[in-house]
Amino acid sequence: DGGITQSPKYLFRKEGQNVTLSCEQNLNHDAMYWYRQDPGQGLRLIYYSQIVNDFQKGDIAEGYSVSREKKESFPLTVTSAQKNPTAFYLCASSIGARNEQFFGPGTRLTVL
Amino acid sequence: EDQVTQSPEALRLQEGESSSLNCSYTVSGLRGLFWYRQDPGKGPEFLFTLYSAGEEKEKERLKATLTKKESFLHITAPKPEDSATYLCAVQARGYSTLTFGKGTMLLVSP
Repeated sequence: DGGITQSPKYLFRKEGQNVTLSCEQNLNHDAMYWYRQDPGQGLRLIYYSQIVNDFQKGDIAEGYSVSREKKESFPLTVTSAQKNPTAFYLCASSIGARNEQFFGPGTRLTVL
Repeated sequence: EDQVTQSPEALRLQEGESSSLNCSYTVSGLRGLFWYRQDPGKGPEFLFTLYSAGEEKEKERLKATLTKKESFLHITAPKPEDSATYLCAVQARGYSTLTFGKGTMLLVSP
């Protein structure tokens, strides 16, 4: 079955710690994206990558970092510099940058 | 700056009571408008892409339409399993990212 997987489903972090969220896809998609979703707000783009070894900042990149070493994988690190990291994080992929995006199941991050 | 406004924020229907959700947008040249369904605690599920004014697409009880300024998601004879948040997003020509609205939360009561 082709799809997008995100792990873990729930993640708890202490203030001052960096955490890495995993996103893997076996759809052979070139483009991958990370979004943040907060209650009452639309999805906001954190980072996106259209090709391996290349990525661009989205609207709210501060306090986050990414890498794209493999086509299938696009991990997101939430650093201690992110002031309000508690949120629902969604990873998506698309065949090309101008095609519909398909989403993973999400990771809920809570800072304790 | 691209903007997407969805209305109403929440909608409660009785089973079988048809209605429409609205997505108004401003974009510097529309490449595509996308509709998604999101269940609580889950990732959005892709429903439709619309590319040009006058285009319509259907899937079961859902029909999406597009004009130059807005899109409608018509829900005919809804069932309780249609309860979800419906998200609208636009992509501007020449860009690879989407701008999302805040969504409409639909509750269908039996």
